[in-house]
Amino acid sequence: AQSVSQHNHHVILSEAASLELGCNYSYGGTVNLFWYVQYPGQHLQLLLKYFSGDPLVKGIKGFEAEFIKSKFSFNLRKPSVQWSDTAEYFCAVRTNAGKSTFGDGTTLTVKP
Amino acid sequence: ETGVTQSPTHLIKTRGQQVTLRCSSQSGHNTVSWYQQALGQGPQFIFQYYREEENGRGNFPPRFSGLQFPNYSSELNVNALELDDSALYLCASSLIGGAAFFGQGTRLTVV
Repeated sequence: AQSVSQHNHHVILSEAASLELGCNYSYGGTVNLFWYVQYPGQHLQLLLKYFSGDPLVKGIKGFEAEFIKSKFSFNLRKPSVQWSDTAEYFCAVRTNAGKSTFGDGTTLTVKP
Repeated sequence: ETGVTQSPTHLIKTRGQQVTLRCSSQSGHNTVSWYQQALGQGPQFIFQYYREEENGRGNFPPRFSGLQFPNYSSELNVNALELDDSALYLCASSLIGGAAFFGQGTRLTVV
């Protein structure tokens, strides 16, 4: 069975600090990879996705993620966080069979 | 374009009852998926519907069932409710193979 592991449950950063959130998955076949964000009081929103091609994908609001197939990883990065990035971040994997698996999320708190 | 809308927003049911949750897909989307999100956890995939047929299912018992209608709206039905079914239920729509767009969810409480 596929699984997704997000190593950091809660991350606290100061504004302008760099961010990297870890995501590892277990599945032997082809996958689509996603990062979603949930701002306080709002619904889940797509940050970025990887289907194929360039393993470095760019999303909204300056976020990017790199797919490293050999490490089964899809880490999320942002060079300089803002207070408005405070949110919960979810990594997700979808197989060709249409089954999706989410990690348990990482809560990011950015201090002004 | 309209987003994904779910109804109701909150619901309280008694153990053993049945519940139906509804979802309207984003305009142009032909695929809908349902998730259960317990407090402090990520969404757990229940199933996905494409062209009115279930085409992917997570580890949920048969008392969780669904429908997709010709206009791509969808229902999630849960029979014989248990206390552990208390959760936020999320609906997401997409084009088949595309990224999912989520609704606000229905908060179900089973007492």
